[in-house]
Amino acid sequence: KQEVTQIPAALSVPEGENLVLNCSFTDSAIYNLQWFRQDPGKGLTSLLLIQSSQREQTSGRLNASLDKSSGRSTLYIAASQPGDSATYLCAVRFPSGGSYIPTFGRGTSLIVHP
Amino acid sequence: NAGVTQTPKFQVLKTGQSMTLQCAQDMNHEYMSWYRQDPGMGLRLIHYSVGAGITDQGEVPNGYNVSRSTTEDFPLRLLSAAPSQTSVYFCASSTTGLAKNIQYFGAGTRLSVL
Repeated sequence: KQEVTQIPAALSVPEGENLVLNCSFTDSAIYNLQWFRQDPGKGLTSLLLIQSSQREQTSGRLNASLDKSSGRSTLYIAASQPGDSATYLCAVRFPSGGSYIPTFGRGTSLIVHP
Repeated sequence: NAGVTQTPKFQVLKTGQSMTLQCAQDMNHEYMSWYRQDPGMGLRLIHYSVGAGITDQGEVPNGYNVSRSTTEDFPLRLLSAAPSQTSVYFCASSTTGLAKNIQYFGAGTRLSVL
């Protein structure tokens, strides 16, 4: 069974720090990987999507990288702000029977304090 | 553009009652899915559909039924609610093509079964 693991489970940092959130997966034959943000009591909002042929994607202060050979993706957040406080989830689409069903990690809960 | 709409936002049921959670999307997405999110368990796939008339089971399908009579709608039915089904339910949609197939999520339905 393919698995997706996110480390650390929780992170608390002062405002202004640069952060790295990790996502690892057990099968390098992925279709794509998507990073989400979830605010308390809310749904998931897509941040970045990386196709299997890509190495990174950038959006504003966010940069996501993908290394299929090592089964890892990292989400880099530059100059963190209190508004970045949320849970960050990664989801990996594995080509399983042609359905490409996403498998989610359990998330990293981030608190950025002023 | 409404995206993915879920109703109701909150629901309280008694054990044994039935109900339907509604999900609708207006993006003409082929792929739709239902997840439940529980503390410490992450997001778990209940059922999914790759197009109208086609549904399949996910990781935790027991106690739930789905149907997909139109591209837009993907309702989730609880036939006889149990306390173990207390959870937050999310509906998601995406394209199935080889392009970006970003997953879009609804705001969630918070269900309590007493």
